[in-house]
Amino acid sequence: NAGVTQTPKFQVLKTGQSMTLQCAQDMNHEYMSWYRQDPGMGLRLIHYSVGAGITDQGEVPNGYNVSRSTTEDFPLRLLSAAPSQTSVYFCASSRDRKYEQYFGPGTRLTVT
Amino acid sequence: GENVEQHPSTLSVQEGDSAVIKCTYSDSASNYFPWYKQELGKRPQLIIDIRSNVGEKKDQRIAVTLNKTAKHFSLHITETQPEDSAVYFCAPRGDSGNTPLVFGKGTRLSVIA
Repeated sequence: NAGVTQTPKFQVLKTGQSMTLQCAQDMNHEYMSWYRQDPGMGLRLIHYSVGAGITDQGEVPNGYNVSRSTTEDFPLRLLSAAPSQTSVYFCASSRDRKYEQYFGPGTRLTVT
Repeated sequence: GENVEQHPSTLSVQEGDSAVIKCTYSDSASNYFPWYKQELGKRPQLIIDIRSNVGEKKDQRIAVTLNKTAKHFSLHITETQPEDSAVYFCAPRGDSGNTPLVFGKGTRLSVIA
């Protein structure tokens, strides 16, 4: 199993650009989440999904969209990048809400 | 939704000493209590978890204790080593419908050799 994969590993965007961060898991997990982690800070939930076709907002959803058309994939879309979105983004998946969350390696995003 | 607090936010211990980190939660329906470790530049990874039918669980030098009445659980690390230096997060979970999974704000542990 590859576990949870994320692409790209690093990305630099200019203010106003849009892009999609990819996340995929091969463990047949229903639950997937996106977190952002600012330097020296904790994990803040952006969006999450409890299964294909179902998504919901977390603590900091503004400026981001998600979709879950398949169990495996959970892409995060930045609509119009802003410097405040400079962060490390982690995708995570779990069998359901009461089991271990597996994290991807992260995407380091810089917005200039 | 769940309100989660971790204390302390930073902790420095001498190598060989013990470290204790406490996590307080608000949802009395929580019944799964994991701790994650995040080393510098790495992803968070589960190190130990406990379910609500158990009061304590040990795995070598780490242990988790649960007090459901007081709604808190703690991570205990004994005989600390430099490689224990990391940020630790708690993430209590329950069956409360589709409420989002949130993490505590983290505790930065530094083990001084």
